[in-house]
Amino acid sequence: SQQGEEDPQALSIQEGENATMNCSYKTSINNLQWYRQNSGRGLVHLILIRSNEREKHSGRLRVTLDTSKKSSSLLITASRAADTASYFCATSQAAGNKLTFGGGTRVLVKP
Amino acid sequence: SAVISQKPSRDICQRGTSLTIQCQVDSQVTMMFWYRQQPGQSLTLIATANQGSEATYESGFVIDKFPISRPNLTFSTLTVSNMSPEDSSIYLCSGNSRSQETQYFGPGTRLLVL
Repeated sequence: SQQGEEDPQALSIQEGENATMNCSYKTSINNLQWYRQNSGRGLVHLILIRSNEREKHSGRLRVTLDTSKKSSSLLITASRAADTASYFCATSQAAGNKLTFGGGTRVLVKP
Repeated sequence: SAVISQKPSRDICQRGTSLTIQCQVDSQVTMMFWYRQQPGQSLTLIATANQGSEATYESGFVIDKFPISRPNLTFSTLTVSNMSPEDSSIYLCSGNSRSQETQYFGPGTRLLVL
């Protein structure tokens, strides 16, 4: 069964705007990972945040984690047309273990 | 980071036949997994591929339908048996080591069953 739910399911923005998507999960976790998928291809790993971390940055990406609310958010700043993709969160209950995926957010960045 | 390749990248198969998908990792990984992504959906874990022993299947997936092998630390196969159109999906393998939490994915195998 799906661990997480993502919100929104779809997002359409103009180039240069910020995109924010949220992920909720149900059980305790060891870490949460965000992935990008372009047009049904393989998953590209974006960022991993551990359960004892609250915020991480990587380039134009900012991820937050609130374990008390069992939720995470991914912010893409100054979006580009190339950011158009589906974004998935995935949780792991133990380091190096299997992932449970959220439903995904489809992001469209219009030039 | 691990680089993972899969073969074939895509295939079109007839109902009732079987297809074996190969997954190769460029470095030794402790854990390897197989996921399915049905059209327009998210990823669902099929099983954990265990080296030298039977895979560990998730609820709803059985060995007779999805036999998995992992003869060594860098290679695994997934067979989709007696296929039906409902098996049309993208199948992805992934891997990571226990010392590295990041899980890397292969490019996926896009399967269409007619």
